[in-house]
Amino acid sequence: DGGITQSPKYLFRKEGQNVTLSCEQNLNHDAMYWYRQDPGQGLRLIYYSQIVNDFQKGDIAEGYSVSREKKESFPLTVTSAQKNPTAFYLCARSQGQGVRETQYFGPGTRLLVL
Amino acid sequence: KQEVTQIPAALSVPEGENLVLNCSFTDSAIYNLQWFRQDPGKGLTSLLLIQSSQREQTSGRLNASLDKSSGRSTLYIAASQPGDSATYLCAVRPKTSYDKVIFGPGTSLSVIP
Repeated sequence: DGGITQSPKYLFRKEGQNVTLSCEQNLNHDAMYWYRQDPGQGLRLIYYSQIVNDFQKGDIAEGYSVSREKKESFPLTVTSAQKNPTAFYLCARSQGQGVRETQYFGPGTRLLVL
Repeated sequence: KQEVTQIPAALSVPEGENLVLNCSFTDSAIYNLQWFRQDPGKGLTSLLLIQSSQREQTSGRLNASLDKSSGRSTLYIAASQPGDSATYLCAVRPKTSYDKVIFGPGTSLSVIP
């Protein structure tokens, strides 16, 4: 799985609840990313982090939050403000720089609303 | 704004056929283009990375080409097998926003035995 571990595989959220998706990498790489995938659409960037204690918003950050307290961990919280959270969530890491920078993905977490 | 498209959205071919998947992008100012494979309910698996100065990359039965001037990349799969059935996505890393890789919607490939 590209050196990325995601858990759980499936997650159920009740209305008004915050839920946290786990993403861990064991290859000591700096850059990590969170994407959302909806049927028939390309991946959309939620948040990314280049170094510990720093992260940037992507294109669809509203209703989500992240932290990067450790290099190997980049958890994503889907807050109650995210009104349409049902999707497949993918965490990725980057390896290399410039023209050689390559993305590798974890197995994903499917979030469903009860 | 960079946009990435993939046509067709779905493709069905008989086993053994050679096939080409297409990827188009609107801005030629890219660092690289990456092709991925995604099986149902799974994450993306990296297949090939083409740097902006390269014209093609090969891995086994896969060959990816890049023509920046026309904003096109193709993924050629030789002698297709049922195990090649999956969704194939392309993604570009723009020079204008290095950290924001732009993905196409994918082509769903079915190889019929």
